[in-house]
Amino acid sequence: NAGVTQTPKFQVLKTGQSMTLQCAQDMNHNSMYWYRQDPGMGLRLIYYSASEGTTDKGEVPNGYNVSRLNKREFSLRLESAAPSQTSVYFCASSFTGGKEKLFFGSGTQLSVL
Amino acid sequence: AQTVTQSQPEMSVQEAETVTLSCTYDTSESDYYLFWYKQPPSRQMILVIRQEAYKQQNATENRFSVNFQKAAKSFSLKISDSQLGDAAMYFCAYRRAGNNAGNMLTFGGGTRLMVKP
Repeated sequence: NAGVTQTPKFQVLKTGQSMTLQCAQDMNHNSMYWYRQDPGMGLRLIYYSASEGTTDKGEVPNGYNVSRLNKREFSLRLESAAPSQTSVYFCASSFTGGKEKLFFGSGTQLSVL
Repeated sequence: AQTVTQSQPEMSVQEAETVTLSCTYDTSESDYYLFWYKQPPSRQMILVIRQEAYKQQNATENRFSVNFQKAAKSFSLKISDSQLGDAAMYFCAYRRAGNNAGNMLTFGGGTRLMVKP
């Protein structure tokens, strides 16, 4: 059982380059999330998708776009990377409901030079 | 908006001893869930324990227990018989109850726990 799979695990970009982080889950979850974690800090929500076909901004959406391609997949795109976007990115998924546990991917370490 | 605060950036405990990590939160909701997640150096986020706000009884999971004080909006994590493998970042997190769309998890800033042999 794969759970939440993120690719790539590591990426180095130059300022202004674009890239897409991929995320897929195989647990039939309704909701999917993208978080970023800066050094020594907690996770902050970038975007989320409550269900297939819907996406909404989280706490720090500027500079990012997302696509909920289908129920399994939720991608995060950086159109023009900036050094401030250097971070570890986590994808997560869950069933709908406050008590539901979030399942996290293993993270993507992104460096923007 | 809900906020979660962890006032201890770092904590240290001797192996086999007990340590308590603090967490406070701010919300106007009456029903919600609180979580403690562990993040070892591998970066994987691991759920340690979950507390439902409508339950007065404190949650326990083996060596891990919480002290949930709803009126004070406090949610501390106690680790008993600390082991070397407990060394990690610990995050407190809040989530509204109900099946509202987009029930996101709000995290505190984390506490780094070091375990001394």
